[in-house]
Order: sequence, then C-alpha cells, then structure tokens
Amino acid sequence: GAVVSQHPSWVICKSGTSVKIECRSLDFQATTMFWYRQFPKQSLMLMATSNEGSKATYEQGVEKDKFLINHASLTLSTLTVTSAHPEDSSFYICSAQTRGRQSLHFGNGTRLTVT
Amino acid sequence: TQLLEQSPQFLSIQEGENLTVYCNSSSVFSSLQWYRQEPGEGPVLLVTVVTGGEVKKLKRLTFQFGDARKDSSLHITAAQPGDTGLYLCAGAPGTGRRALTFGSGTRLQVQP
Repeated sequence: GAVVSQHPSWVICKSGTSVKIECRSLDFQATTMFWYRQFPKQSLMLMATSNEGSKATYEQGVEKDKFLINHASLTLSTLTVTSAHPEDSSFYICSAQTRGRQSLHFGNGTRLTVT
Repeated sequence: TQLLEQSPQFLSIQEGENLTVYCNSSSVFSSLQWYRQEPGEGPVLLVTVVTGGEVKKLKRLTFQFGDARKDSSLHITAAQPGDTGLYLCAGAPGTGRRALTFGSGTRLQVQP
C-alpha cells in the first residue's frame, strides 16, 4: 500500500515553455504533499509544502510564480514549471503524507531537461 | 535552518567489507529516517528511529539514533554490490514544520 505515482518520469522541453508534473497518491489520502528538487549527485532540497485545498508554502529562494503548485484534491498535486530555462533542469520528486501520520511516501521522480 | 551533515560523502569498498555512515546535526529531531535512492528513482525508506539511543536492525544494516536525538549512524556488515546507492538520512523537526530535512547524502559503491 501507500503508493505515490509521479508522471511523467522524464520530460524534455524547450526553453520558455511550461511543464506540468503530476503526483498522485493511489491508495491513500494525501493531506500534505512535498515537492523536492535534486541536482546530480546532491541531496533532496525541499521546494514547497502543499496542503489540500490551500496555498502552497514555498521555501526561501523558491519562486512561487515560477513553480506553480496546485493541490486541489486529496490524491493529486501538480507542479508546473513555467517559462522553463536550462538551469531548471533537475530531478523533481514529490512525496505525500496523510494526516496524523509521520511516514512519507515518495514518487519515483521526474527528470526535467530544458534545452 | 536545521542542517544534517553526512559523512563520508562517497565510499567505494569491496564486497564483504563493513562500513559506517554518519549523520550529524546540532539540532534535535523528533525522529530520523534513513533512505536509499537508486539513480532515476525516488528514495525508499529503510528505517525510522524515534527514541534516543534506539538501535534497529534490518538484516545486515544496523541503525542507531543518538542519545540526544541529534545524530544517527548506519552500519552495513559484509556489504554486497546490491547495497550500492545513495544513502540519505532525514530528520523530522517534530513541532510545527512537517517537512523532512534531508542530509547531504552518502554515495556508496560496492565493488564485486
């Protein structure tokens, strides 16, 4: 149980375009979802925390207008990278948590390459 | 900001050797988790330690949480090539903030 599906697993886009990444909890209600970014050979850096039905809380240094997060339902959160640039190329990972429980369930990540 | 430093950053050993990875912080965590991540995939939870001084074993892996809940270690006995991966510790702050703080990571390579 506790499966988180992330889609797409990889995407290549041209500079200036927008890309949407979906994160779905398949068999549980994700009251909170976290979005992380991971550069090659580095650890996970938290970008934002989103609670279902409310605005996301962004970490310092993460542009909320560039990385749009929507958590409209208890099973789906989306991250849209707007006007992508090559420096946005990274591995984006979501994780989901249900209310009252500490355990986090991670998606398999999305590798974004901006050309 | 709570920081978690892992050491070593990179470790290359032969099959059958033992190793220890350390995760240190100046902050107290309510719990600490260890993950293993393979290239192109999300992290997979190995263990959660909650009590200061707690020791948990998972086959050849032994995890310990420091008495003060500021540090942790992961010891692997008789490493195998299948243990190769990025090992990440992650601390839960406990109050208010719910997001985990991830350590800097230890990349382990076990040569056959």
